[in-house]
This record gives sequence, C-alpha cells and structure tokens, in this order.
Amino acid sequence: DVQLVQSGVEVKKPGESLRISCKGSGYTFIDYWIGWVRQKPGKGLEWMGIIYPGDADTRYSPSFQSQVAISVDKSIATAYLHWSSLKASDTAMYYCARGLRSWYGFDIWGQGTVVTVSS
Amino acid sequence: EIVLTQSPVTLSLSPGERATLSCRASQSVGSHLAWYQQRPGQAPRLLIYDSSIRATGIPARVSGSGSGTDFTLTISNLEPDDFAVYYCQQLTGSFGQGTKLEIK
Repeated sequence: DVQLVQSGVEVKKPGESLRISCKGSGYTFIDYWIGWVRQKPGKGLEWMGIIYPGDADTRYSPSFQSQVAISVDKSIATAYLHWSSLKASDTAMYYCARGLRSWYGFDIWGQGTVVTVSS
Repeated sequence: EIVLTQSPVTLSLSPGERATLSCRASQSVGSHLAWYQQRPGQAPRLLIYDSSIRATGIPARVSGSGSGTDFTLTISNLEPDDFAVYYCQQLTGSFGQGTKLEIK
C-alpha cells in the first residue's frame, strides 16, 4: 500500500524546538513532491510548503517562509517539518501529503500530527 | 499570491439532491485546480484534480468543471457520507477557505 506515516503527538513549551516526520512507503519516494499542510482547530487548510525528495528543491508559502524549515532524508524516505522556536499560535494539526501534480493535487495524506504548544 | 474564494460558505441540502460548489481564483490558474473532501476527524481526501479528473475510487456522481478563474464541483444524488467540508486548491498550493455541506 502507498502510504505516508507521520510521527506522533507532540506537547511542547513556547520557545522550544521541534521536528516532526513523514515517512513514505509503497512507492518511489524521490519521484513525488511532499507538501505540508496546517489545520488549526476548527479552521481550514493552509499550504505551508513543499519539497522534492529527488533533489531537495524546497518552496514555502510566504506566510510560512521564515517560520518553519522543510527537509528530507531520501535514504530513509522521510520528510521533516522543523521549528526552531515554537509559539502558542503553532498549535495545530499538521499533515504531510504527496503531490500528484507537483505542488497541488495531494493524493496521499499522512494521518496528521497534533502539535500543542502551551506553557 | 493567488487567492481562492469558495461559495457558499455553508450549503444545506437533503440526501438525494444535487450540490453545486464554487471556487473562484484571483488570477487564472488554467485547469490546475483540485477539490478535496474532509470529514470530521479525518485527513482530506482528493476528489478531483486538473479541474475535472476524478481521483482513484471517486464515483462518477462527483464531477468538476471550469478553467481560468471559475470552477465548480458538482455532487449528484447526495448520500449521507457526502456531508462534509470541501476545499479547492490551485497549482501553486493555496487552498480556499472551504464550503461546509450540511444536511438540511
């Protein structure tokens, strides 16, 4: 089965750093873009950015450009989303997804990672 | 940055009826538009990409149309599982704000 499996629930304090992961299986990982999507409680979907595992080409939404970093380790078919200093406003569900049509048309989604930032 | 505006915000219909959802882009996206369904507590599911191509496993009663700046998702003969939130997404990534399809 083609799937993306994300790392588990995170509870952090403001100012802490965090990296969450997204592991692909069942397909050629380097051939498809992997995007990250934020969803705050009760709100809509926000496209954060995307990475191409083949060459680590990375693009960000202007809203997230300086807020997060996206990386990949193609040797273990895993993409990452990283924060250097979390804020309470980062509390959300984060999804990774595979881009069927490069930056959009996400056909495979991870199960989501809940991140809670609270003092 | 391209902005997508979905309408209506909420659509109240009964099972068996037809739903028509709209998505308008602030500038042309050609035919590069996708639609998703999200049920409570679940990840989004791709329904349509490239404006009108159904994703794997999506029934023929779900259809998409449009090009340029105006797009439509149509769901015929509504079933109970269709009542959910629907999002559009364009080629550079951004999503619309969503349309909630609720049971009347």
